[in-house]
Amino acid sequence: AQSVTQLGSHVSVSEGALVLLRCNYSSSVPPYLFWYVQYPNQGLQLLLKYTSAATLVKGINGFEAEFKKSETSFHLTKPSAHMSDAAEYFCAVSETGAAGNKLTFGGGTRVLVKP
Amino acid sequence: ETGVTQSPTHLIKTRGQQVTLRCSSQSGHNTVSWYQQALGQGPQFIFQYYREEENGRGNFPPRFSGLQFPNYSSELNVNALELDDSALYLCASSLRPGPYEQYFGPGTRLTVT
Repeated sequence: AQSVTQLGSHVSVSEGALVLLRCNYSSSVPPYLFWYVQYPNQGLQLLLKYTSAATLVKGINGFEAEFKKSETSFHLTKPSAHMSDAAEYFCAVSETGAAGNKLTFGGGTRVLVKP
Repeated sequence: ETGVTQSPTHLIKTRGQQVTLRCSSQSGHNTVSWYQQALGQGPQFIFQYYREEENGRGNFPPRFSGLQFPNYSSELNVNALELDDSALYLCASSLRPGPYEQYFGPGTRLTVT
């Protein structure tokens, strides 16, 4: 089974600073990878996805992620944090198998943006 | 284009009771997946429905069951509720089964007392 590990359950950044959220995955096949954001008391919103077309993926709200096969990583970055980026972020891998087509999520990283 | 909707928003039930949660998929999407998100954790896959049939299931007991209707809307039923069933239940729809992006609804917050 595939798994996702997000390093750091909480990240604190200053407004205007770089946001870096780490995600490592395990997969025996080329993965489909996703980043989602969850604002308080809301569902998950898709930020971006990797589907093997390009290793650097650009998403919404200025976020991007780089797929590195050698490191089995898919880290999410944003050059300049904004107060509205305060939320929880989830990395997920798509898995197809006996359990159907499911997303396996990491534990999430909560981002706090300081003024 | 209407997104994924879920009802009710919040629900409080007593241990041992049964509950039904509802989901309407995004227009044009024929696949619906359900996830359970406990407080402070990532979502866990419960099951997926495609063309009114269960298309895969995670590690949840049989008291978690579901339905999908011809219009692709879906229900999640949980029998014999336990305290640990307290969670946010998320519905997600996608164009079809496979490694495609899933679009999530706002969730139903279930509290079991």
